[in-house]
Amino acid sequence: DQQVKQNSPSLSVQEGRISILNCDYTNSMFDYFLWYKKYPAEGPTFLISISSIKDKNEDGRFTVFLNKSAKHLSLHIVPSQPGDSAVYFCAASDYGGSQGNLIFGKGTKLSVKP
Amino acid sequence: KAGVTQTPRYLIKTRGQQVTLSCSPISGHRSVSWYQQTPGQGLQFLFEYFSETQRNKGNFPGRFSGRQFSNSRSEMNVSTLELGDSALYLCASSVRDSTYNEQFFGPGTRLTVL
Repeated sequence: DQQVKQNSPSLSVQEGRISILNCDYTNSMFDYFLWYKKYPAEGPTFLISISSIKDKNEDGRFTVFLNKSAKHLSLHIVPSQPGDSAVYFCAASDYGGSQGNLIFGKGTKLSVKP
Repeated sequence: KAGVTQTPRYLIKTRGQQVTLSCSPISGHRSVSWYQQTPGQGLQFLFEYFSETQRNKGNFPGRFSGRQFSNSRSEMNVSTLELGDSALYLCASSVRDSTYNEQFFGPGTRLTVL
């Protein structure tokens, strides 16, 4: 059973507009959430994270929102740039329980068109 | 600071053989985790090593094993290779202290089993 779900396999956005990538989770023990970006033939690159005690974290063009009651998080990229085109993975972990392994969603392929 | 390095980058083996993959974490990182990425299953956790001890293990058969050395470098071994073991194997390192830690990934080793 998938504990972390990214229901949109792909997303296409115009350059300069906002990209919103969504992620849902089922395990209420998760207390740390991360977003990674991955280009083909490379390992995932860490983008931004959020702990369960917060509902928003911002880093430059990237903002992650966490809605614990809905077990939902989203990544906003504003403004989107063609270089943002990649596969984005949402990941979750239960660090409070020392389960430090990451549980990944299956990814959303973002295409930003010039 | 140098990133996570993995060797080799590409491997071709035949069914029944065994393979050893190597990972050097970021300097100062004591935790090394291994993940398998396949098109169908996405990124799945194999195991985590911390201070030469396996701390967590994912749901993989005993043919998959690993170890960590005193300098935090890690190896994973897959014995009696099967066609389904063809995948990108990713290593990630983190500080893994008492606070939330991001995991930083290497470029991966692409294993093809013929």
